[in-house]
Amino acid sequence: AQTVTQSQPEMSVQEAETVTLSCTYDTSESDYYLFWYKQPPSRQMILVIRQEAYKQQNATENRFSVNFQKAAKSFSLKISDSQLGDAAMYFCASKRDAGGTSYGKLTFGQGTILTVHP
Amino acid sequence: KAGVTQTPRYLIKTRGQQVTLSCSPISGHRSVSWYQQTPGQGLQFLFEYFSETQRNKGNFPGRFSGRQFSNSRSEMNVSTLELGDSALYLCASSRLTGTTEAFFGQGTRLTVV
Repeated sequence: AQTVTQSQPEMSVQEAETVTLSCTYDTSESDYYLFWYKQPPSRQMILVIRQEAYKQQNATENRFSVNFQKAAKSFSLKISDSQLGDAAMYFCASKRDAGGTSYGKLTFGQGTILTVHP
Repeated sequence: KAGVTQTPRYLIKTRGQQVTLSCSPISGHRSVSWYQQTPGQGLQFLFEYFSETQRNKGNFPGRFSGRQFSNSRSEMNVSTLELGDSALYLCASSRLTGTTEAFFGQGTRLTVV
């Protein structure tokens, strides 16, 4: 079974500053994927970034980057140059690689509410 | 390209009734997963369908069921509704199953009174 923990219920950042959201996970699998999803007030979950566990290089998508520490089972999200539109609930999630019975099942953390101050 | 469409967006039902929620995946996507989101329990996996077959099921009572049609559209049904079933129900589709990204709909907000 996989578990995902987000220990920061709420975070805040000033516009244009940088913020890091924390996530730890636990899995017995050797092959898995990690994701950060954003859920704005519209409620639609939007994929922010993904990381394949077999890749050592940290994933980057424009202003969003991750710090993936496989041994420590840590997967933090860094948002640079924060914008008002980044305000949302952020979820860390894991998925077992294909071949297991978990198929497409995503396991989510509890979420972190990010507030961006102008 | 149209996204994942969930209908209805809002629903109010009475305890004991049953409800059916619908999810139309992105064209070409064959995998559909359902999640329940509540303030107390967070996001919990309900089930996943791929090519009309249930591939995986979460830890929910048998009152929760689903199906997938040949066009990949999926429905989930909750019978004998309880107050605790009030939640946001999210549907996600992906092209295949397993490793590909999931794209979510905007959800159906179910309120049981």
